[in-house]
Amino acid sequence: DAMVIQNPRYQVTQFGKPVTLSCSQTLNHNVMYWYQQKSSQAPKLLFHYYDKDFNNEADTPDNFQSRRPNTSFCFLDIRSPGLGDAAMYLCATSRQTSYNEQFFGPGTRLTVL
Amino acid sequence: AQSVAQPEDQVNVAEGNPLTVKCTYSVSGNPYLFWYVQYPNRGLQFLLKYITGDNLVKGSYGFEAEFNKSQTSFHLKKPSALVSDSALYFCAVRDIGDYKLSFGAGTTVTVRA
Repeated sequence: DAMVIQNPRYQVTQFGKPVTLSCSQTLNHNVMYWYQQKSSQAPKLLFHYYDKDFNNEADTPDNFQSRRPNTSFCFLDIRSPGLGDAAMYLCATSRQTSYNEQFFGPGTRLTVL
Repeated sequence: AQSVAQPEDQVNVAEGNPLTVKCTYSVSGNPYLFWYVQYPNRGLQFLLKYITGDNLVKGSYGFEAEFNKSQTSFHLKKPSALVSDSALYFCAVRDIGDYKLSFGAGTTVTVRA
């Protein structure tokens, strides 16, 4: 089945230690998104890629970076995680038109010690 | 600017009773509207969407939603709720030509046996 895969499902890191979360998709969608979700709140968009074009949200901290080396993969890098960065990180994909729904991965739960 | 309001933090119903989760929206033009469901420690699952046409939209797992332009609402409904429908539900809106989804705060549904 076509899907969005996130690895790892659970990630524990130490305060200030860089961490990378990965997302891959077999849907061949143009657009990929990274969201941060805390405590059953609404997902907060961090950034998205339209093909290789990177679009950062204005309020996304500089601590968060992303890479998309090809259509299938996208990475979220947190350069110096703080305690406030502990959250669920969701990757999503969609086709290029705005009426298409987003398909979400299962998420990576990040714990910062 | 686009926004979504889910006026109820929680909805509690008995199994077999009708379930309604409310959503109102605000967009500058014609909206694309979506409902997602999230189970604990999982990503969001797409339920249904409204793009244009028939105001009653049918989706996955027996859910449907009614688009009401005059009331700017898109309420999610299920005629007979199941215990397995207990989850967190998000309404989302996207303006035409925009890739960004605006999510409501979410409504926790509890269906008691």
